[in-house]
Amino acid sequence: DVKVTQSSRYLVKRTGEKVFLECVQDMDHENMFWYRQDPGLGLRLIYFSYDVKMKEKGDIPEGYSVSREKKERFSLILESASTNQTSMYLCASSFGEGNTIYFGEGSWLTVV
Amino acid sequence: GENVEQHPSTLSVQEGDSAVIKCTYSDSASNYFPWYKQELGKRPQLIIDIRSNVGEKKDQRIAVTLNKTAKHFSLHITETQPEDSAVYFCAASEGNRLAFGKGNQVVVIP
Repeated sequence: DVKVTQSSRYLVKRTGEKVFLECVQDMDHENMFWYRQDPGLGLRLIYFSYDVKMKEKGDIPEGYSVSREKKERFSLILESASTNQTSMYLCASSFGEGNTIYFGEGSWLTVV
Repeated sequence: GENVEQHPSTLSVQEGDSAVIKCTYSDSASNYFPWYKQELGKRPQLIIDIRSNVGEKKDQRIAVTLNKTAKHFSLHITETQPEDSAVYFCAASEGNRLAFGKGNQVVVIP
């Protein structure tokens, strides 16, 4: 079974704090993704990476950055958290093009 | 880029009836179309998928049909049960990534 693990399930951070969300996958997948899920807006892609040290902007990259130093690990960084970044964040991974994406359990972030 | 639209946004069905969710996509080059089910508080999980060289695929009570000419694909759930209540997302491939629809809330009424 593919396992995508998000290290933090529930976080509460203050406005202006730097926030790190970590994700690890164990299937040697090339592609890793960070999505944000909000009610009525579906799954919106923030950033994705198709190889180590490679990254591409998704649909809503503003206010976020990412890091992929190792193939199995993909981090989402909020440089200065704001209340409008309160959301559920989903990490995912996949192998190659046109293949199934496997999601982590999600990280619920509240910015106060 | 690929644009996926999903209709209806909410669907209520009586237990035992069938449910159909339809998605349309914009990029004729897309060739992989998965469906995900997300139960409350859980991660989205793949329930069925179809590739562009196939018109229909079935797995027990769920099936997916694809019409490449019209650029739409549909999820069919037969003999619905309370555990089918969830949000369902369709998606279409866009190279290494998937473009998702906004989701469809299915409520099965006992």
